[in-house]
Amino acid sequence: GAGVSQSPSNKVTEKGKDVELRCDPISGHTALYWYRQSLGQGLEFLIYFQGNSAPDKSGLPSDRFSAERTGGSVSTLTIQRTQQEDSAVYLCASSPQGASGNSPLHFGNGTRLTVT
Amino acid sequence: SQELEQSPQSLIVQEGKNLTINCTSSKTLYGLYWYKQKYGEGLIFLMMLQKGGEEKSHEKITAKLDEKKQQSSLHITASQPSHAGIYLCGADIIPRSNYQLIWGAGTKLIIKP
Repeated sequence: GAGVSQSPSNKVTEKGKDVELRCDPISGHTALYWYRQSLGQGLEFLIYFQGNSAPDKSGLPSDRFSAERTGGSVSTLTIQRTQQEDSAVYLCASSPQGASGNSPLHFGNGTRLTVT
Repeated sequence: SQELEQSPQSLIVQEGKNLTINCTSSKTLYGLYWYKQKYGEGLIFLMMLQKGGEEKSHEKITAKLDEKKQQSSLHITASQPSHAGIYLCGADIIPRSNYQLIWGAGTKLIIKP
């Protein structure tokens, strides 16, 4: 079946512009995660959704970052007034379970964001 | 310092040779996940380990979780060019809470033909 789908795969934007990144998880997966990966760094947790609600937003770097999930499926991560330090690969992952179980995360191919 | 230390940071191995990557935590690991990433792609799930002493294999890759559940090793036998990439370990340090995974910084593996 289809895996986690992210769009766009690449995004170049000017500093100060807003961007929207989209994630379409595996059908039936209730948990959805956003991570950020900077060059040479590990994964930085941003936000976790269980269904449409986000029990943990603690990883969002600033109030310029927001995310929503509708219909328990597609999620969008929005970055307002982008800064050069926002440049990174943004990865989305989904899993069939959330905090109640241990199951591997299934990742999309990411969106490579470059802020010029 | 990283909560989850991976070593080495990078590795260059002659094709056909064996290699080992380590992932060490100062805390008890309730679940340990190995992933592989190629440039421009997402993370591909390799294996999950949960019990101390557990060992799993897939093709030429074997992963173990030590008895104390604080270290995991990933061993590749007779390496091939297809094994090249970045290997990441992720871990649950809170029982039954896989949304709070911590991650190693990755090991970059290069296979020399």
